[in-house]
Amino acid sequence: AQSVAQPEDQVNVAEGNPLTVKCTYSVSGNPYLFWYVQYPNRGLQFLLKYITGDNLVKGSYGFEAEFNKSQTSFHLKKPSALVSDSALYFCAVRDMEYGNKLVFGAGTILRVKS
Amino acid sequence: DAEITQSPRHKITETGRQVTLACHQTWNHNNMFWYRQDLGHGLRLIHYSYGVQDTNKGEVSDGYSVSRSNTEDLPLTLESAASSQTSVYFCASSERGVNTEAFFGQGTRLTVV
Repeated sequence: AQSVAQPEDQVNVAEGNPLTVKCTYSVSGNPYLFWYVQYPNRGLQFLLKYITGDNLVKGSYGFEAEFNKSQTSFHLKKPSALVSDSALYFCAVRDMEYGNKLVFGAGTILRVKS
Repeated sequence: DAEITQSPRHKITETGRQVTLACHQTWNHNNMFWYRQDLGHGLRLIHYSYGVQDTNKGEVSDGYSVSRSNTEDLPLTLESAASSQTSVYFCASSERGVNTEAFFGQGTRLTVV
């Protein structure tokens, strides 16, 4: 079965500094990878996806993600963090073997301090 | 604008009662999903549907059922609510295809007492 892992429960970063939220994946075949963000008491919002092509994917709110096939990683990045980026972030992979559902990681809390 | 809405946003029910959570989308998406979110588990799939009259079990389907009588709605029913089903429930929809993202509702916080 396809899976993703988010090794950090929480990431702390100072405002203005670059941020990275890590994700590694395990799939058979081509990976279809997604990042979502969840603000308190809200649903998940789509940030970006990797399907094929360029390894650097640009998404909403200045976020980008780097796909690395050799390291089976899909880390979320932003050059300069904002306090308003503080939220819960989920990495997900499309499970081609199980009804094309999205399989989510456990989530990483991002805290940006001013 | 197209959207996906869930109701109610909050629900408290008693053990053993039947509960139905509503999900309505105006995206005209064929695919619809129900997830539950619990601390430490991320989101886990309960049921999903690829179209009218189609329903499939997810990884945590025991005690839950869904029906799909039209494109817009996928109600989730807890047949006999249990305390273990206290959770936040999210409905999502997407177009067909492996490269499509899913759009999520705002969630329903269900407490079973």
